Amino acid sequence: DIQMTQSPSSLSASVGDRVTITCRASRSISTSLNWYQQKPGKAPNLLIYGASSLQGGVPSRFSGSGSGTDFTLTINSLQPEDFATYYCQQGDSTPSFGQGTKLEIK
Amino acid sequence: QVQLQESGPGLVKPSGTLSLTCAVSGDSISSHYWWNWVRQSPRKGLEWIGEIHHSGSINYNPSLKSRVTILADKSRNQFSLKLTSVTAADTAVYFCARKGVEAPCRFDSWGQGTLVTVSS
Repeated sequence: DIQMTQSPSSLSASVGDRVTITCRASRSISTSLNWYQQKPGKAPNLLIYGASSLQGGVPSRFSGSGSGTDFTLTINSLQPEDFATYYCQQGDSTPSFGQGTKLEIK
Repeated sequence: QVQLQESGPGLVKPSGTLSLTCAVSGDSISSHYWWNWVRQSPRKGLEWIGEIHHSGSINYNPSLKSRVTILADKSRNQFSLKLTSVTAADTAVYFCARKGVEAPCRFDSWGQGTLVTVSS
């Protein structure tokens, strides 16, 4: 099994800030890494796939990078609707998810 | 636009069988996608359960494989999940989701989720 580890587990930021969330895989997964946003009571929503490709309809302030074992999700100019929990997911083998990063308003 | 909707009992007794159905609209389960079940609990986070393809291929999470069955009903455009011998550890929100076949595989559409509680 590939273990996915996100950091930090929680993060406080203000509207307009730039934030970065990291995800580390327990072994190399090339660029088979996806990012999701989840709001309370809702299903996860795909933001980024293939480490850096923006899913259709997702604002361009979201971006992803990385390959191998280390990946980042960056959100530029935080908007009020961005406060949520973010998950990474590897698609290289049996799918597995990170434990989540909760982004809260400072 | 594809929509997925989970349905099934919200309460299951310990040692019983959890049964859920996912109705799909806006797409056919005979299309090239994989149709998945994912669950989420405070204890284990998001956990992939398994998937089915219209070709008949099925994949299960090895950690659950001995207890899981996923079936497709093409006539009703829905697929189902059965999980046997449930315990409190199986209490979770269960989601159905669509996954593409192109690499990298990702879950691009999800149902709203349904809470299943295992309790006597």
